[in-house]
Amino acid sequence: DSGVTQTPKHLITATGQRVTLRCSPRSGDLSVYWYQQSLDQGLQFLIQYYNGEERAKGNILERFSAQQFPDLHSELNLSSLELGDSALYFCASSVAGTSGYNEQFFGPGTRLTVL
Amino acid sequence: TQLLEQSPQFLSIQEGENLTVYCNSSSVFSSLQWYRQEPGEGPVLLVTVVTGGEVKKLKRLTFQFGDARKDSSLHITAAQPGDTGLYLCAGRDDTNFGNEKLTFGTGTRLTIIP
Repeated sequence: DSGVTQTPKHLITATGQRVTLRCSPRSGDLSVYWYQQSLDQGLQFLIQYYNGEERAKGNILERFSAQQFPDLHSELNLSSLELGDSALYFCASSVAGTSGYNEQFFGPGTRLTVL
Repeated sequence: TQLLEQSPQFLSIQEGENLTVYCNSSSVFSSLQWYRQEPGEGPVLLVTVVTGGEVKKLKRLTFQFGDARKDSSLHITAAQPGDTGLYLCAGRDDTNFGNEKLTFGTGTRLTIIP
């Protein structure tokens, strides 16, 4: 158990819909990262938040957005869903801010299926 | 764009054999990590290497960071069925201050046959 929790475990929805994925980082970790993992594209970095502020952006679509709340949990919002958005979405957390080795601890993931 | 290429992409060997997985890039990384991921679960951190030429051992697993910090290898001795999984390398990019993005490799799917 990494200490990172994600809900829900599974999510099935239809095209055009909007969903919210939730992540609670390990106790004490200030950074939260979101990744998308699909069969054909491996693990893709989406976005990072540090202590409530956006820190880095990866290949995140404009239809996707995220935020980190004062209690440090984070939500990833996916809207206007398309079939191609079906994937595993992982959240990871780390202690590091601007120093350290950025060792990330991953949650169990949310499997999103868009029908 | 930084890329990390892993080879082989797939590897299936008999229990007790040795194997090496490679992680290569044209970019320099400040540190490199190896993760193992099992089906339906998140990646689990195995090791972090920081210094060029560094070698770290974790039981039957030996990790090496290239002298130029552009590549790494993972060697498993006497593989066991419990080693089965997806192995991912990930490099940290320090070129942008405060940017702690990890670039993940393409992955090596390892199957150990009992």
